[in-house]
Amino acid sequence: KAGVTQTPRYLIKTRGQQVTLSCSPISGHRSVSWYQQTPGQGLQFLFEYFSETQRNKGNFPGRFSGRQFSNSRSEMNVSTLELGDSALYLCASSLERGAGTDTQYFGPGTRLTVL
Amino acid sequence: QKEVEQDPGPLSVPEGAIVSLNCTYSNSAFQYFMWYRQYSRKGPELLMYTYSSGNKEDGRFTAQVDKSSKYISLFIRDSQPSDSATYLCAMKLGAGGTSYGKLTFGQGTILTVHP
Repeated sequence: KAGVTQTPRYLIKTRGQQVTLSCSPISGHRSVSWYQQTPGQGLQFLFEYFSETQRNKGNFPGRFSGRQFSNSRSEMNVSTLELGDSALYLCASSLERGAGTDTQYFGPGTRLTVL
Repeated sequence: QKEVEQDPGPLSVPEGAIVSLNCTYSNSAFQYFMWYRQYSRKGPELLMYTYSSGNKEDGRFTAQVDKSSKYISLFIRDSQPSDSATYLCAMKLGAGGTSYGKLTFGQGTILTVHP
């Protein structure tokens, strides 16, 4: 079974631009979560989508948004990029059977550099 | 104060040593505990998943949870150079509500096993 895939793997943007990152979950997985990883803050939760609905959101500004499609693929968007948005953006998928016990499997991440 | 505290190291050990990695947490509502391994330029890979207090063993890895002390550990026996990576502890609240898709991570411990 193929793992979580993320595209693109690397991205360089300039301040003020916007960016869209894509995530394809493991086949059959319905929940997709996004995280930002930086050396200073570590891994921080951005948001989670299930059945095209955002169910949970972390403490990030409104410039960070996402969506999920009917095939469970997800995208996240960052508008008006700032230097501090440079990070590894990770996507994770899980079955989400509702018991809270499902584990998350991570993709390789998209490395975003903002100049 | 962060909800999950983890000593970032770095930790350097000789091949064959027993490695002990630890995390403490402040939120007693955490119910699920995980250890992930992350190699450079890769996404986190799930190593261990535990729910209740006590020990769980999988090959050379043993995860230990002490909910009364809010303390979790990962032990690696007979460590190998291929174990060199960053080890992340992660925790999840019970099912539903603000727990959807959200893992709270420690800062990660950088481990090097030298031949």
